[in-house]
Amino acid sequence: ETGVTQTPRHLVMGMTNKKSLKCEQHLGHNAMYWYKQSAKKPLELMFVYSLEERVENNSVPSRFSPECPNSSHLFLHLHTLQPEDSALYLCASSQSPTGSGNIQYFGAGTRLSVL
Amino acid sequence: QKEVEQDPGPLSVPEGAIVSLNCTYSNSAFQYFMWYRQYSRKGPELLMYTYSSGNKEDGRFTAQVDKSSKYISLFIRDSQPSDSATYLCAMITMWNYGGSQGNLIFGKGTKLSVKP
Repeated sequence: ETGVTQTPRHLVMGMTNKKSLKCEQHLGHNAMYWYKQSAKKPLELMFVYSLEERVENNSVPSRFSPECPNSSHLFLHLHTLQPEDSALYLCASSQSPTGSGNIQYFGAGTRLSVL
Repeated sequence: QKEVEQDPGPLSVPEGAIVSLNCTYSNSAFQYFMWYRQYSRKGPELLMYTYSSGNKEDGRFTAQVDKSSKYISLFIRDSQPSDSATYLCAMITMWNYGGSQGNLIFGKGTKLSVKP
C-alpha cells in the first residue's frame, strides 16, 4: 500500500447528488488535510485535522463537509455542488500540523467533475 | 506581496540541460523549505526538504536556500524527459507565528518540459 490512498480517482456528479471522497494514510501520521487544486491556481487548503479534531476550516462552503473518524481515515462529503467546484481534490498527511512535523505527503487525488 | 512567489513558466529545456527552478518569499519566519514534483493528474510528490539555509543534494537534484535573500532554488542536473512535471516549492513557519500555526504555504508551481 502506498502512503496516502484516495478513492475514487475520478468522480462525475450532478449538482443535486451526494457523494463522498475517501482518504486513508498508512504512515502513522496524526494530521490530515484536504486541498483543492484548480487549473492555474495554487493549492487551496480546505481543512486540517489533528488527532481527529478539526483545527482549521478555511472559509469553505458548507456543501463540503469533512469527517475524520480516526487518525488514519479522512472523508469529504459533498452535496449540492456547483460546476465551479470541479477540481482535483487532494488529501495529505503529516506527523503534526505545525513546524517540522508539517512536512506533508499527498495522495494521488480525486478528479471531480460537477455537471 | 504574496508570501511565496514562483514563476509558473512554462520552462522548456533540451534533454541533458541543467535546470534551475526558483522561489522567493517574504516571511522571514519560514524555516523549512520543500520541493514537490507533480505529474499531470497526479498528487504532489515530496522530492526534498531542507531546514534553514544551505544546500542539500540527492542524486541529480540539489536544493539551495539563501535566507538572507529569501530565495530558494532547485537544480536538476542531466535533465531527463521523465523530469517533465510541475515543480512546487513550499515553506513552513514555526509554531504559531502570525497565527499561521505552521501551515505549509505553496508556490503556484513551475511547469517544466524536458525535450528529448
